[in-house]
Amino acid sequence: DIQMTQSPSSLSASVGDRVTITCQASQDISNHLNWYQQKPGKAPKFLIYDASNLEMGVPLRFSGSGSGTDFTLTISSLQPEDIATYYCQQYDHLPITFGQGTRLDIK
Amino acid sequence: EVQLVESGGGLVQPGGSLRLSCAASGFTFSNYAMNWVRQAPGKGLEWVSYIGRSGGSIYYADSVKGRFTISRDNAKKSLYMLMNSLTAEDTAVYYCARDFPPEDEPTTPVIFDYWGQGTLVTVSS
Repeated sequence: DIQMTQSPSSLSASVGDRVTITCQASQDISNHLNWYQQKPGKAPKFLIYDASNLEMGVPLRFSGSGSGTDFTLTISSLQPEDIATYYCQQYDHLPITFGQGTRLDIK
Repeated sequence: EVQLVESGGGLVQPGGSLRLSCAASGFTFSNYAMNWVRQAPGKGLEWVSYIGRSGGSIYYADSVKGRFTISRDNAKKSLYMLMNSLTAEDTAVYYCARDFPPEDEPTTPVIFDYWGQGTLVTVSS
């Protein structure tokens, strides 16, 4: 199975900060990487597909980059509504695997 | 508006069975593959199973293979998961999630673009 490792596991930042979350795959997955946001008590929400493509309606302060084994999710200017746990997910090989999540809160 | 509504969760004893359902609306259900994803209390997301839009492509996580059976009824716009031989490790919120993009089978999971609100399964004596 492909292991997805996110860092950090948790992060505190201030409103307006630039926030970066990384996701590393245990083997090359090309750009077959998606990102999800999960707010407390809610279902996950799809944000970014194929490493860098923003889903329709997702604020432009979100962006993704990377290929191969190393990927990044960036929030250019953190907003209070961005408080959530973020997960990466690979679909290059079955079984589908997720990172363990990065919990983001406001400092 | 795409809607996915899960039902069928509850408390079940170890070794017991449960059948989850997911009712879909707001899109042409028969065009899309579907998934089940679960989340144990306080834990991360775990993909469980996938079924292609015609039911011809089916995959399971090793943790549930041989115990869980995914199925769908396109006429009823519904997805199902029959869960047998349940253990405490199966305790989780179970989400159904639509797979994107819609493609002819054979297919594999790609993107989980819409999710239901989840149904809680608790395995305990």
